[in-house]
Amino acid sequence: DAGVTQSPTHLIKTRGQQVTLRCSPKSGHDTVSWYQQALGQGPQFIFQYYEEEERQRGNFPDRFSGHQFPNYSSELNVNALLLGDSALYLCASSPTGREANYGYTFGSGTRLTVV
Amino acid sequence: AQSVTQLGSHVSVSEGALVLLRCNYSSSVPPYLFWYVQYPNQGLQLLLKYTSAATLVKGINGFEAEFKKSETSFHLTKPSAHMSDAAEYFCAVSVNSGNTPLVFGKGTRLSVIA
Repeated sequence: DAGVTQSPTHLIKTRGQQVTLRCSPKSGHDTVSWYQQALGQGPQFIFQYYEEEERQRGNFPDRFSGHQFPNYSSELNVNALLLGDSALYLCASSPTGREANYGYTFGSGTRLTVV
Repeated sequence: AQSVTQLGSHVSVSEGALVLLRCNYSSSVPPYLFWYVQYPNQGLQLLLKYTSAATLVKGINGFEAEFKKSETSFHLTKPSAHMSDAAEYFCAVSVNSGNTPLVFGKGTRLSVIA
């Protein structure tokens, strides 16, 4: 049973560019959350998608946006990239309902470097 | 709002020695607490979680943690360190049930010396 799959694994972009990161959730999971982990820091919550809608959002600017597709996969988009956006971006999936009790499964992340 | 403080950004122990990683939390409501491990260039793996059941929680790879409400702590321990335990460890807090976002500490890097 595949876990959470993220692509690409590494990415280098130039300041001002736009980037799209992708996530396929674990089988049976319908909720996807995105986290940003800067170097030497703990992950920070960006937003969460369920039923193709953004349900919760952390303290991130509107340059960060997302989407969830009918098959529960998700994309994270970042516009007008800044050097400070360089980080490991983690996707976490989870089920809803009674099994939602903290069943987060994390992917291995996408390492984004902005130059 | 919830927050987590991990005392010590780097802990070094000898192989076979006790591992103790400290975590203190702040929460206005009863918390749910977690420990995750991250190996180099990998994502997060859940070690254990406290969700208001037994205060002593046993996890994978021989790790355990004890929830102490009076001390607002959730320290992670392992009786005997292995070389393979070398990694980054994160404590996290959440509230309520369901898919509530996790709030992570800054992490503690564990080194194991042969």
